[in-house]
Amino acid sequence: SQQGEEDPQALSIQEGENATMNCSYKTSINNLQWYRQNSGRGLVHLILIRSNEREKHSGRLRVTLDTSKKSSSLLITASRAADTASYFCALPSGTYKYIFGTGTRLKVLA
Amino acid sequence: EPEVTQTPSHQVTQMGQEVILRCVPISNHLYFYWYRQILGQKVEFLVSFYNNEISEKSEIFDDQFSVERPDGSNFTLKIRSTKLEDSAMYFCASSEAWQGLNTEAFFGQGTRLTVV
Repeated sequence: SQQGEEDPQALSIQEGENATMNCSYKTSINNLQWYRQNSGRGLVHLILIRSNEREKHSGRLRVTLDTSKKSSSLLITASRAADTASYFCALPSGTYKYIFGTGTRLKVLA
Repeated sequence: EPEVTQTPSHQVTQMGQEVILRCVPISNHLYFYWYRQILGQKVEFLVSFYNNEISEKSEIFDDQFSVERPDGSNFTLKIRSTKLEDSAMYFCASSEAWQGLNTEAFFGQGTRLTVV
């Protein structure tokens, strides 16, 4: 069955640095979504990348997808304190179901 | 920008009581979901709903849980007899499609359920 594993589990960086987090999965997908969650709050949709796309950009976010390695990465460039949050990948599985990864807790220090 | 709205934002209930969590999905969306997140843990799938019926449900979604789309706009999750372990943040989500374009799933802000 589908599983999403993210690494690192936690990441602490200085403001202005880039943050990279990775998501690996088990079975083939046709798309992958990334979400942000501020502490105790809702899940904010960041970006969706399809299996026929290798890279996608949205503002300071860059997402890559390597279907041969069954992995995706999320890069946040020039990070800000406001980027402090947990980041999750979500993978389609079965019939109308998304499975969430374990998440990466990002802390950006001012 | 359209968004998924959930009410209430926080609900406290006594063990054994019934609760109904309410969601208004984005208006042109056809696929609806409920997830939960126990504090500090991962986001867990509960159920998906399409064409007025449950499409898939997890092992968490037992007979104590039910979903309904009573009036074409609201989407509700009912827990019949709450247990302490039902305490969690419950998220509703919706998407326009499942395959092809417009498959992004948008989530509400969640309802924090506390069972005492």
